[in-house]
Amino acid sequence: AQSVAQPEDQVNVAEGNPLTVKCTYSVSGNPYLFWYVQYPNRGLQFLLKYITGDNLVKGSYGFEAEFNKSQTSFHLKKPSALVSDSALYFCAVRDVWGSGSARQLTFGSGTQLTVLP
Amino acid sequence: DGGITQSPKYLFRKEGQNVTLSCEQNLNHDAMYWYRQDPGQGLRLIYYSQIVNDFQKGDIAEGYSVSREKKESFPLTVTSAQKNPTAFYLCASSRKSPHDRSSTDTQYFGPGTRLTVL
Repeated sequence: AQSVAQPEDQVNVAEGNPLTVKCTYSVSGNPYLFWYVQYPNRGLQFLLKYITGDNLVKGSYGFEAEFNKSQTSFHLKKPSALVSDSALYFCAVRDVWGSGSARQLTFGSGTQLTVLP
Repeated sequence: DGGITQSPKYLFRKEGQNVTLSCEQNLNHDAMYWYRQDPGQGLRLIYYSQIVNDFQKGDIAEGYSVSREKKESFPLTVTSAQKNPTAFYLCASSRKSPHDRSSTDTQYFGPGTRLTVL
């Protein structure tokens, strides 16, 4: 079965500093990987995805993520954090060649990012 | 939140009542999904639909029902059989079915409905 782990429930960073939100995954085959952001009482907003090709993926609002196949990781990064980046971040994975439930997205439990002014 | 709308934003239900959550999309997407979100947990899939008049159970379908009579609409009914229905419910859609192996489609989410059982 596929799975996603976000090892940190909470990440705090000072405004202007770089931020990293960690994600590791497990799939039988090759992964499609996604990052979403959720603001309080709102739906999820798509940030970026890795399908194939360049391991460094650039997304919305200055975010980027690096796919590392050997470490089965897809960490979300931003060079300079803003207070407005404070939100709940979800990593999700889908098995490219999976069957049944593996064709669906599996979400991590989320990481609350707080950017301190 | 794009072209996906959910209503109502907040919903209160008495125990023993069925309630229906609305989800509408104007993106011309084939596939639609319902997820449940509880604090400290990721999203869990309730039901999904690949095409009109088709729907399939997700991981936590017990106590829920859906219909897909129109491409743009995928309502979710929370029945009295659902033991712990208080949660945040999210609807999503994607251009293609997840069972289409060529699909790399992103799922786009609505703003959510917060259901509270009194």
